[in-house]
Amino acid sequence: EVQLVDSGGGLVQPGGSLTLSCAASGFSLSDSVIHWVRQAPGKGLEWVARIRSKPRNYATDYAASVTGRFTIFRDDSKNTAGLQMNSLKTEDTAVYYCTRTMSSTAFNWFDPWGPGTLVTVSS
Amino acid sequence: DIQMTQSPSSLSASVGDRVTVTCRASRRINNYLNWYQQKPGRAPKLLIYAASTLPSDVPSRFSGSGSGADFTLTITSLQPEDSATYYCQQSISAPLTFGQGTNVEIK
Repeated sequence: EVQLVDSGGGLVQPGGSLTLSCAASGFSLSDSVIHWVRQAPGKGLEWVARIRSKPRNYATDYAASVTGRFTIFRDDSKNTAGLQMNSLKTEDTAVYYCTRTMSSTAFNWFDPWGPGTLVTVSS
Repeated sequence: DIQMTQSPSSLSASVGDRVTVTCRASRRINNYLNWYQQKPGRAPKLLIYAASTLPSDVPSRFSGSGSGADFTLTITSLQPEDSATYYCQQSISAPLTFGQGTNVEIK
C-alpha cells in the first residue's frame, strides 16, 4: 500500500523549534516532490513548502508566511522527508500534512497524504 | 499569487440531489486544477485531478469540468457519505493555493 506517515508534532512555546518527519512506504520517495500542507483549527488548507527531486537539484519553495523560518529537507536513502520549524509563532498552530506530487507528470496533484500531525504553539 | 475562490461556502442538500460547487482562479490556470474531499478529523483525499480526471477509487457520481479560470465539481446523486468539505487547488505555479472550501451537508 502506498502511504505516508507524518509525525513529530507537539506543544512548543512561541519562538521555539520543532522538526516534523514524513516516512514513505510502498513506494520510493526519490521520484516524488515532497510537500507540507497545514490546516489551522477550523480553517482551510494552506500549502507550506515543497522540495523537488534530485534531477531538479532538490530545489525548494516556501509560502511567504514561513520563508526564513522553516526548512524542508529529504533523505531519499531512508525514504523520509522532514520540516524543520524555527521561530514558531502562535499562528503556526495547525495540523501539518506531508504529501507528494510526482516529478514525472505534466499535471500534478497531492496524493497520498499522511494522517497529519498537530503542532500547537502556545505559552 | 493565484487566488482560488469557491462558491458557495456551504450548502445543504438531500440524498439524491445534484450538487454543484464552483471554483474560480484569479488568472487562467488551464487544466491545472484539482479537487479534494476532506471529512472531519481526516486528511484530504484526492477526488479529481487535471480538472476532470477521476482516480480509479472515486465513484462515478463525481465529475469535474472547466478550463481556463472557471471550474465546477458536480455530484450527480448525493449520498450520505458525501458529507464533507471540498477544496479546489491550483497546481500551475507556486505558491500552490487552495480555495477556502465548501462544506456539503446532508439534509
